[in-house]
Amino acid sequence: AQSVTQLDSQVPVFEEAPVELRCNYSSSVSVYLFWYVQYPNQGLQLLLKYLSGSTLVKGINGFEAEFNKSQTSFHLRKPSVHISDTAEYFCAVIRTGTASKLTFGTGTRLQVTL
Amino acid sequence: NAGVTQTPKFRILKIGQSMTLQCAQDMNHNYMYWYRQDPGMGLKLIYYSVGAGITDKGEVPNGYNVSRSTTEDFPLRLELAAPSQTSVYFCASTPSFEINYGYTFGSGTRLTVV
Repeated sequence: AQSVTQLDSQVPVFEEAPVELRCNYSSSVSVYLFWYVQYPNQGLQLLLKYLSGSTLVKGINGFEAEFNKSQTSFHLRKPSVHISDTAEYFCAVIRTGTASKLTFGTGTRLQVTL
Repeated sequence: NAGVTQTPKFRILKIGQSMTLQCAQDMNHNYMYWYRQDPGMGLKLIYYSVGAGITDKGEVPNGYNVSRSTTEDFPLRLELAAPSQTSVYFCASTPSFEINYGYTFGSGTRLTVV
């Protein structure tokens, strides 16, 4: 079975500062990786995904993530955050090539302040 | 395209009451999922379906039932509501296990059992 660990439950950051949200996964088989964002009182929206190929993945709203197989990590980064980036961010993993289900991390609350 | 529509958005139930959370998608997706979200716990899979007439249990199915009579609809039934079922419930769908698309989520149903 797959699992995802998001070590930081909350990350406070000032506007225009860079941010990194950490995600580590555990799996004995190949996986696909995702980052979702949840704005207050809304559903989850796909930010970006890693399926194969280049390990640096770019998503919406200026976010990017890097897949590191040796460290089993998929950290999310943004060079300069905006107030509107305040949200909950979820990392998720799924086995490749099967009808398996997404497994989510516990989420990281990004709080951007002036 | 409406995407994934969940109704109601909010509901308060008394202990022992029953209700059905509705989920409908208009994208002709085969795969549909029900998750519950509790603070600090991420999303846990309750039930899923790979097509009309086919359903299976997820990680936390106790106290819930589902049915899938059509491709479009995937209702979640709570028979005897308990305070432990107070949560935010999300329905999601995807075309198949070609997960390039990721999951499309509804906006959620916030349920309180008192």
